[in-house]
Amino acid sequence: DAKTTQPPSMDCAEGRAANLPCNHSTISGNEYVYWYRQIHSQGPQYIIHGLKNNETNEMASLIITEDRKSSTLILPHATLRDTAVYYCIVRVDRDDKIIFGKGTRLHILP
Amino acid sequence: NAGVMQNPRHLVRRRGQEARLRCSPMKGHSHVYWYRQLPEEGLKFMVYLQKENIIDESGMPKERFSAEFPKEGPSILRIQQVVRGDSAAYFCASSRDEKLFFGSGTQLSVL
Repeated sequence: DAKTTQPPSMDCAEGRAANLPCNHSTISGNEYVYWYRQIHSQGPQYIIHGLKNNETNEMASLIITEDRKSSTLILPHATLRDTAVYYCIVRVDRDDKIIFGKGTRLHILP
Repeated sequence: NAGVMQNPRHLVRRRGQEARLRCSPMKGHSHVYWYRQLPEEGLKFMVYLQKENIIDESGMPKERFSAEFPKEGPSILRIQQVVRGDSAAYFCASSRDEKLFFGSGTQLSVL
């Protein structure tokens, strides 16, 4: 079973920042937070991951609370191509499988 | 560096036939994962393999399904005596470090 809780859907206006929340209140000290997305009919795409510190890459930023019980994925300037299902996942290490929950369906509105 | 390659992209089988789905991981990747996605549902983990070893098959149905990742060649997911309920998208992923990279999937349709 997935160890995370996400809202089922969200809307965001094109050009604005999309902030996707995730609760992982039972996360263990050695578990990472990963984000993936799945654009319709395509394979999931890796976005970002982190352990304790906030992370940023060319796609997004990941903000993890100090107690690590929740996190937020930020897409700084959402475009229509960001419309997808976004999955927040906790994972122990590289040898652990990824368990997908139901994710958040993000709609970018023109 | 080519991504994870899956073939065929679409596969049509009649009930009772066998389906073979292939996955070539990214160059240098030694871990392969298979997932299944039923229509309008989420991704379900099936099996995790390293070269010549099954590491975790906790998501594999007990009957008719098998997977292998030989020393040479692609990983194969094999479904024997397919039924209509096997119709789904099957995704393969490979990894070498912390990230999994997914292929475009094989859409299996059972008539």
